[in-house]
Amino acid sequence: KQEVTQIPAALSVPEGENLVLNCSFTDSAIYNLQWFRQDPGKGLTSLLLIQSSQREQTSGRLNASLDKSSGRSTLYIAASQPGDSATYLCAVNSNSGYALNFGKGTSLLVTP
Amino acid sequence: GAVVSQHPSWVICKSGTSVKIECRSLDFQATTMFWYRQFPKQSLMLMATSNEGSKATYEQGVEKDKFLINHASLTLSTLTVTSAHPEDSSFYICSASGSGVLGDTQYFGPGTRLTVL
Repeated sequence: KQEVTQIPAALSVPEGENLVLNCSFTDSAIYNLQWFRQDPGKGLTSLLLIQSSQREQTSGRLNASLDKSSGRSTLYIAASQPGDSATYLCAVNSNSGYALNFGKGTSLLVTP
Repeated sequence: GAVVSQHPSWVICKSGTSVKIECRSLDFQATTMFWYRQFPKQSLMLMATSNEGSKATYEQGVEKDKFLINHASLTLSTLTVTSAHPEDSSFYICSASGSGVLGDTQYFGPGTRLTVL
């Protein structure tokens, strides 16, 4: 069974810092991997989706990389802002049409 | 495009009552819908997968007689929590995937906060 782990569980950084969130998964046979943002008490906002054949995806200050063979993905946030404070979830899709396997998330706090 | 709505956004009910949660794909036809549950400080856990017109497939440990799922049309799936108890209090989120130009990307609803007193 696919297991997804996210490290660290929580992170606090001052505004302006660049930071990296880590995600690892146990079964490298994945279809795609997705990073989400979740604000307290709210639903999910999709940030980046990386197909299994891709190495990275970028959107604005966000960059996600995927190393399928080692079962790892990282989410890089450049020049962090207080508005980036949220929980970031990594989710792995093992096959087309399948449900996502989520990690427990990294709770990020960016202080002014 | 590709918007998924959920109703209600929150609900408070007494123990023993039943609660129905709706998940709608507003601008696409959802061939598959997924129901997840999220307890405080935990991640999303899949409860069941439903395909339009067929019976839902439940994950191990999820009681199908307690969590009734109906996916009667390509735009609507419902989750009914029967005889709800306080331990059912959770955040329920659905996702929907379509076909064609949408591919198999899953689009998530905003979630429903259920509190059982």
